[in-house]
Amino acid sequence: NAGVTQTPKFQVLKTGQSMTLQCAQDMNHEYMSWYRQDPGMGLRLIHYSVGAGITDQGEVPNGYNVSRSTTEDFPLRLLSAAPSQTSVYFCASSYRLRSANEKLFFGSGTQLSVL
Amino acid sequence: DQQVKQNSPSLSVQEGRISILNCDYTNSMFDYFLWYKKYPAEGPTFLISISSIKDKNEDGRFTVFLNKSAKHLSLHIVPSQPGDSAVYFCAASAAGGTSYGKLTFGQGTILTVHP
Repeated sequence: NAGVTQTPKFQVLKTGQSMTLQCAQDMNHEYMSWYRQDPGMGLRLIHYSVGAGITDQGEVPNGYNVSRSTTEDFPLRLLSAAPSQTSVYFCASSYRLRSANEKLFFGSGTQLSVL
Repeated sequence: DQQVKQNSPSLSVQEGRISILNCDYTNSMFDYFLWYKKYPAEGPTFLISISSIKDKNEDGRFTVFLNKSAKHLSLHIVPSQPGDSAVYFCAASAAGGTSYGKLTFGQGTILTVHP
């Protein structure tokens, strides 16, 4: 079982460049989300989706766009990369966030550096 | 506004002894709490959870305690093993209000278990 797959694992960008972090899950999960992990800040929610066609902002959405055209995929777009977006990004999914199966399944992360 | 706080950045414990990781929260709407474990270069993995209708949940060597009046939860690991060395995140979610659909994480505590 692949679970949650994130690509790429590592990326270096120059300030102002744009890119898309890919996330796919094969568990037919309704809920998908993107987090960033920074030292001393823990995991902070960027955007999330409770189903295909439905997205909403998390705690730190500025500078990022998302879309959910299919149940399986939830790409994260950086519109114009800034050094403050240097971080480790995690995609996560869950069958339904508010259910007995509350737990999130995480991908292995994308380490992004913006120079 | 850090709604979930882990005030101890790190904890060092001897193998075989008890590890106690603490977490405090401020949002009274939180009604479901989880602990995740993260090894380097991997995504977090679910460890154990507790609903606000309970004050204790046990799974093998791991026990989570919830004190709703103090808005405090703790994770006990007994006995601790070197393989438990990782970063531990606590997280919380709410059924409604502005926290719906979001899982809020603490900053994480680095646990080191010495042989």
